[in-house]
Amino acid sequence: QKEVEQDPGPLSVPEGAIVSLNCTYSNSAFQYFMWYRQYSRKGPELLMYTYSSGNKEDGRFTAQVDKSSKYISLFIRDSQPSDSATYLCAMSAILTGGGNKLTFGTGTQLKVEL
Amino acid sequence: EPEVTQTPSHQVTQMGQEVILRCVPISNHLYFYWYRQILGQKVEFLVSFYNNEISEKSEIFDDQFSVERPDGSNFTLKIRSTKLEDSAMYFCASSPQGTSTDTQYFGPGTRLTVL
Repeated sequence: QKEVEQDPGPLSVPEGAIVSLNCTYSNSAFQYFMWYRQYSRKGPELLMYTYSSGNKEDGRFTAQVDKSSKYISLFIRDSQPSDSATYLCAMSAILTGGGNKLTFGTGTQLKVEL
Repeated sequence: EPEVTQTPSHQVTQMGQEVILRCVPISNHLYFYWYRQILGQKVEFLVSFYNNEISEKSEIFDDQFSVERPDGSNFTLKIRSTKLEDSAMYFCASSPQGTSTDTQYFGPGTRLTVL
């Protein structure tokens, strides 16, 4: 079983739709959960992070974590064409030597159409 | 806003050659990382670096790889003898402290093509 699983898509939605992106994980040591956005041929850009079960909202974005089910989600409300990108879930556990190794999902490619 | 920068943006090399990928992390950050992303695959952790030492490395980071912070600003990844399968995007990242709640800031990446 992969440590982090994410549906690669592609996912195509009309402008204004609610988008749901999901990841599951198997490693109970993960403490910190992130969503990154990556545009083509660019570096990942942090969107949201959370470290507890429940919901966290930031504008049109809501991150949800269910540690008991090892499941995380990102919801995008009122999606816009500018949201078209690849969305990566990432998780971390503290390294023995310090630092913070991120384990990424494969990314879901999202296209928001006019 | 401070950002991580990487040079070159694209590097083409022949198999067996050495390459050095360069990064300038955000200036007050203490932890530095390299990740790679093979085309169509996920971003993978290579190595973390703190206080002039490797703090963790993945199984990908074998003896052909090395990292260095040669001065107060640059952080480099050296691949000693490149292979075709080293072709990928290489991302540098830095974080202020390295705790689990710390944000890692990624650079734009260097695309390495090994012919």
